[in-house]
Amino acid sequence: QSALTQPASVSGSPGQSITISCTGTSSDVGGYNYVSWYQQHPGKAPKLMIYEVSNRPSGVPDRFSGSKSGNTASLTISGLQAEDEADYYCSSYTSSSTPHVVFGGGTKLTVL
Amino acid sequence: EVQLVQSGAEVKKPGESLKISCKGSGYSFTSYWIGWVRQMPGKGLEWMGIIYPGDSDTRYSPSFQGQVTISADKSISTAYLQWSSLKASDTAMYYCARHVREDGSGDAFDIWGQGTMVTVSS
Repeated sequence: QSALTQPASVSGSPGQSITISCTGTSSDVGGYNYVSWYQQHPGKAPKLMIYEVSNRPSGVPDRFSGSKSGNTASLTISGLQAEDEADYYCSSYTSSSTPHVVFGGGTKLTVL
Repeated sequence: EVQLVQSGAEVKKPGESLKISCKGSGYSFTSYWIGWVRQMPGKGLEWMGIIYPGDSDTRYSPSFQGQVTISADKSISTAYLQWSSLKASDTAMYYCARHVREDGSGDAFDIWGQGTMVTVSS
């Protein structure tokens, strides 16, 4: 069981917007602005899409945005495109036991 | 170009030892934390630990403490992940990745290696 909870799957049609949630506790998501989101296509290495809750690395389209409220972080993808179909993982710094980073279980995004 | 290049796939027997590598280039290797992430077949990502090559300061996830050793040789810009006695349950893809910020804050990885597949089978 992962430390952060994500829905197993979400889906949307091209052009639509979707949101993936990532729920933790006050020891991780709720306590720090160190939430990141990664995209992973099959057989590929993960790619950083969002860090520090809402920062986008250079080269990531502004269709991707991140936010946080309480113990839940969210990744929103607007104007869905076929190439957005992938697995998405959230991660967060955690202060529980030895400080480290935990990932969510991942969400499979299907573009219909 | 900033990149991390990992060593090739490995097939080992239970009880054997193994050390895989991750070579950085295109940036100051000693200035950024490098981490290791496990992905078991068909499963999600797991944060294993990180090392600061500048002084070899190392942090481990409680799940991996004592199970693996993370090290680095700054003279050749290479980080390592090693096992002293492999188990079948160590079968997975292992990724190295670089922290997004030089000071280690942010706890996110922006540059990833291509992955090293480790298969442990008798």
